[in-house]
Amino acid sequence: QKEVEQNSGPLSVPEGAIASLNCTYSDRGSQSFFWYRQYSGKSPELIMSIYSNGDKEDGRFTAQLNKASQYVSLLIRDSQPSDSATYLCAVNGVTGGGNKLTFGTGTQLKVEL
Amino acid sequence: DGGITQSPKYLFRKEGQNVTLSCEQNLNHDAMYWYRQDPGQGLRLIYYSQIVNDFQKGDIAEGYSVSREKKESFPLTVTSAQKNPTAFYLCASTFSPLMNTEAFFGQGTRLTVV
Repeated sequence: QKEVEQNSGPLSVPEGAIASLNCTYSDRGSQSFFWYRQYSGKSPELIMSIYSNGDKEDGRFTAQLNKASQYVSLLIRDSQPSDSATYLCAVNGVTGGGNKLTFGTGTQLKVEL
Repeated sequence: DGGITQSPKYLFRKEGQNVTLSCEQNLNHDAMYWYRQDPGQGLRLIYYSQIVNDFQKGDIAEGYSVSREKKESFPLTVTSAQKNPTAFYLCASTFSPLMNTEAFFGQGTRLTVV
């Protein structure tokens, strides 16, 4: 089982719709969860961070965390063509040498006009 | 401006050569990381360092080496032992070694074997 799993997509949504991106993780001791957006050929940029169960909203973005189900999601409301990118879920976990941040393979989102 | 600078942006390596990728940060972050990204593979951790003069292997350390002599710098050497080095390399840093804070990324170095 992969440590962090995401559906690779592509996920296609029409402009103005809600895009829902999902991520599951295997390490129950994980404490911090992040969503990054990555445009083709560019480095990832942080969209949201979430540390406790429930929802966290920032503008058009909402992150949801359910530690019991080991599940984290990202909702993008009023999707725009500029939201078309790959979205990476990242989870911190404790290893023998300390903490490390593990990424999923990313979900490609396409927002269509 | 605070940030992470990776150089060069593009790098070409001949078979059998060692090459070094530079990563410098002026964010006063304690922890630094190197990731490799291949198409459809997400980011895989090569090495990370939580403090100066200390570093740990990540998931795919074979064929790579690092040093952390200064807090600001974390260079990555891709050795000839790395059989498939063509990839996009990303350096990142976090304020806390606990990784509970967000990771900031450099612009990346695209390495190609010729």
